[in-house]
Amino acid sequence: ETGVTQTPRHLVMGMTNKKSLKCEQHLGHNAMYWYKQSAKKPLELMFVYSLEERVENNSVPSRFSPECPNSSHLFLHLHTLQPEDSALYLCASSQGPDRGAYEQYFGPGTRLTVT
Amino acid sequence: KNQVEQSPQSLIILEGKNCTLQCNYTVSPFSNLRWYKQDTGRGPVSLTIMTFSENTKSNGRYTATLDADTKQSSLHITASQLSDSASYICVVGGATNKLIFGTGTLLAVQP
Repeated sequence: ETGVTQTPRHLVMGMTNKKSLKCEQHLGHNAMYWYKQSAKKPLELMFVYSLEERVENNSVPSRFSPECPNSSHLFLHLHTLQPEDSALYLCASSQGPDRGAYEQYFGPGTRLTVT
Repeated sequence: KNQVEQSPQSLIILEGKNCTLQCNYTVSPFSNLRWYKQDTGRGPVSLTIMTFSENTKSNGRYTATLDADTKQSSLHITASQLSDSASYICVVGGATNKLIFGTGTLLAVQP
């Protein structure tokens, strides 16, 4: 285990549903991330939080809404998703927000299917 | 343009055999290069991380090499096991806050 947990592991939702993904890190890290992984594509960075402040938002549609209540927890709230949003959503953490310098530790991911 | 390209896209080998995966990058400036192993339906797990001055780094049966002059890296797996079946992702750390991911090589080890 990497010290980063995610729930649920699998989620099927309709386009009109609202759901949330949860991530928790037990490593004492200061930065947390959401990534989207689609088949045969590189990981896409969605959001970066450093000490509970959002420091990056990489042109992600507003139907994805992140929340970081403290440095150990990160949520991704989902609403009115599209079928092309179906993917593996990965949470990661690192000591600091400079991901070019610090190693990232990934959670197991949530496999999301939008019907 | 910062890019990381991996080859082959997929590979099938027999248990016990060795294999080598390739990674070419055009990321500049360069900070470090990482190899991750990602089992199906799981998150990536770090295997090695190398800085500019390191040519090789091992982690058990995994050995990564780095040639910063030609901007190439390889991951060599010795005496493969069924549990090595996974996607192997090359990731390059660039300028501040830059992390460029490759698309991965999917390895299948057959008995």
